[in-house]
Amino acid sequence: GAGVSQSPSNKVTEKGKDVELRCDPISGHTALYWYRQSLGQGLEFLIYFQGNSAPDKSGLPSDRFSAERTGGSVSTLTIQRTQQEDSAVYLCASSRGGQNYEQYFGPGTRLTVT
Amino acid sequence: KNEVEQSPQNLTAQEGEFITINCSYSVGISALHWLQQHPGGGIVSLFMLSSGKKKHGRLIATINIQEKHSSLHITASHPRDSAVYICAVRLIERGYQKVTFGTGTKLQVIP
Repeated sequence: GAGVSQSPSNKVTEKGKDVELRCDPISGHTALYWYRQSLGQGLEFLIYFQGNSAPDKSGLPSDRFSAERTGGSVSTLTIQRTQQEDSAVYLCASSRGGQNYEQYFGPGTRLTVT
Repeated sequence: KNEVEQSPQNLTAQEGEFITINCSYSVGISALHWLQQHPGGGIVSLFMLSSGKKKHGRLIATINIQEKHSSLHITASHPRDSAVYICAVRLIERGYQKVTFGTGTKLQVIP
């Protein structure tokens, strides 16, 4: 079956522009996660959805970042007024449920802010 | 101080060697993941553990909840095992789920 997909795979944008990253989870997966992997750095947890709800947004790096999920399926991560330090690979993962289910990762979106 | 510590950071092994990668964490967790990332590639979840031991092919993962420690073992290592291996823990903080990652172990297996 289809895995987690993300689009675009690559995005180059100018500093100050807004970008929207999309994640399509595996069908039926209720939990969805966004992570970031900056060049030469480790993975960083951004936000978690259970259904359409993200109860804790404290992992988002700044108020320029927002995320939403509709219909318990597709999620979008929006970065407003992008900065060069936002350059990273943004990864999405989904799982069947909450804490004790395997996560399946998407291929990521490589964002470059020039 | 990072909540999740991995060792070693880098590891070079000869093909066929038995490999161990360690992960220690300092907080109570609900589950621990071992992830694999090949150079330029995506992330694959190898194991999710909340207790005991799991085995998949040449890979074995163990966890000791009391000691807050997990190990990933690779038996009969092969060059295709060359990758970064990442330990990740799931925990509940302030009532919310959170995932924290180790910095990864870069493994190179030489033919």
